Amino acid sequence: EAGVVQSPRYKIIEKKQPVAFWCNPISGHNTLYWYLQNLGQGPELLIRYENEEAVDDSQLPKDRFSAERLKGVDSTLKIQPAELGDSAVYLCASSSGTGGADTQYFGPGTRLTVL
Amino acid sequence: DAKTTQPTSMDCAEGRAANLPCNHSTISGNEYVYWYRQIHSQGPQYIIHGLKNNETNEMASLIITEDRKSSTLILPHATLRDTAVYYCIVTRSTGTASKLTFGTGTRLQVTL
Repeated sequence: EAGVVQSPRYKIIEKKQPVAFWCNPISGHNTLYWYLQNLGQGPELLIRYENEEAVDDSQLPKDRFSAERLKGVDSTLKIQPAELGDSAVYLCASSSGTGGADTQYFGPGTRLTVL
Repeated sequence: DAKTTQPTSMDCAEGRAANLPCNHSTISGNEYVYWYRQIHSQGPQYIIHGLKNNETNEMASLIITEDRKSSTLILPHATLRDTAVYYCIVTRSTGTASKLTFGTGTRLQVTL
């Protein structure tokens, strides 16, 4: 079974430029998460989707960050414009969303460097 | 969700059992104990989870105390590839999803 796929794995951009990250969850997983991980810290949730609906985006900086999951499968996270402080690893995770113990499975992440 | 307390770092000799403790004294009855690990430059990897009973899978064993206020993750025969940061997380499912709040974890160093 394929895991969570993310691309690109690495991205280097100059500040004020836009950037986008793509995630393909595990097949059949209805719930998708985007996390931010700064160096030396644990991941922090940015947004959670249940199918196409963003049900928890309270930690997403909406002035420059946006996300979409149009068909309830793949998702894109965008930053526009990027700032130096956005340099971090952006992780995508998915879960089946069937209740009970809903285990999340993570992708390898996209490491963003803003110069 | 309940907070967890883990040692900052631990060492373990290759081939020996690695026992990683976690305190979660404020855990609620409907909260699960999850363990993930993160090897350098990779995404977090799910290891195991439990509610009340001890659990075992191909990767590890999870021992939860009877009062559920603490737990131990056991890697029975640690290898160099087990060197990673291990996160103990307590969470409850909200119907269709779980919320993971990561702390700083335990950095396990496996040595020859």
